[in-house]
Amino acid sequence: NAGVTQTPKFRVLKTGQSMTLLCAQDMNHEYMYWYRQDPGMGLRLIHYSVGEGTTAKGEVPDGYNVSRLKKQNFLLGLESAAPSQTSVYFCASSYAHGASGGLSYNEQFFGPGTRLTVL
Amino acid sequence: AQSVTQLDSQVPVFEEAPVELRCNYSSSVSVYLFWYVQYPNQGLQLLLKYLSGSTLVESINGFEAEFNKSQTSFHLRKPSVHISDTAEYFCAVSGRAYSGAGSYQLTFGKGTKLSVIP
Repeated sequence: NAGVTQTPKFRVLKTGQSMTLLCAQDMNHEYMYWYRQDPGMGLRLIHYSVGEGTTAKGEVPDGYNVSRLKKQNFLLGLESAAPSQTSVYFCASSYAHGASGGLSYNEQFFGPGTRLTVL
Repeated sequence: AQSVTQLDSQVPVFEEAPVELRCNYSSSVSVYLFWYVQYPNQGLQLLLKYLSGSTLVESINGFEAEFNKSQTSFHLRKPSVHISDTAEYFCAVSGRAYSGAGSYQLTFGKGTKLSVIP
């Protein structure tokens, strides 16, 4: 199994350009996530999806859109890139199943990241 | 809502010395706790997790963490570090929820960079 893969690995954009980041997972996970990682900020959730055809906003959704047309893919779009979106983007996926006592928990598996620079 | 505080942004330590990476959390509900590791230029990997049961959890490469509910802490320790442990370590928390409600989001700390000095 490849796990979680991300395309592309690196990208340089000019301000105002658009692009789409692709995340794919082959673990049949229901949930998928997009994070951005900035120095000293840790990981911050941009958007997430709990199933095919559903998406929801995370902590920092402004300037991004997402789509989950197929269960295994989660796309992150930047319609008009800004320098503030220079970051490393990580995709993750997870399942949630009952632990003891019927509790659900969340173990996320991460992709290798996409380094995006917006000039 | 939950939050995570990693008290040290950088921790230098000599090879074969012990290390402790500190993590405190706040939450209005019971939580699951995780430590992730990120090696240079790689994605995050789960190092260990606390879900329930024994408050001391261990990883396969010698790290351990102890859940302390009264102090709301989940510190990561290793008695003797190796050069290969050089990485950034992230503490994360997820709210516990019964099946049917679920808790989808992890809240991460800002990370601690562990540098092992030869």
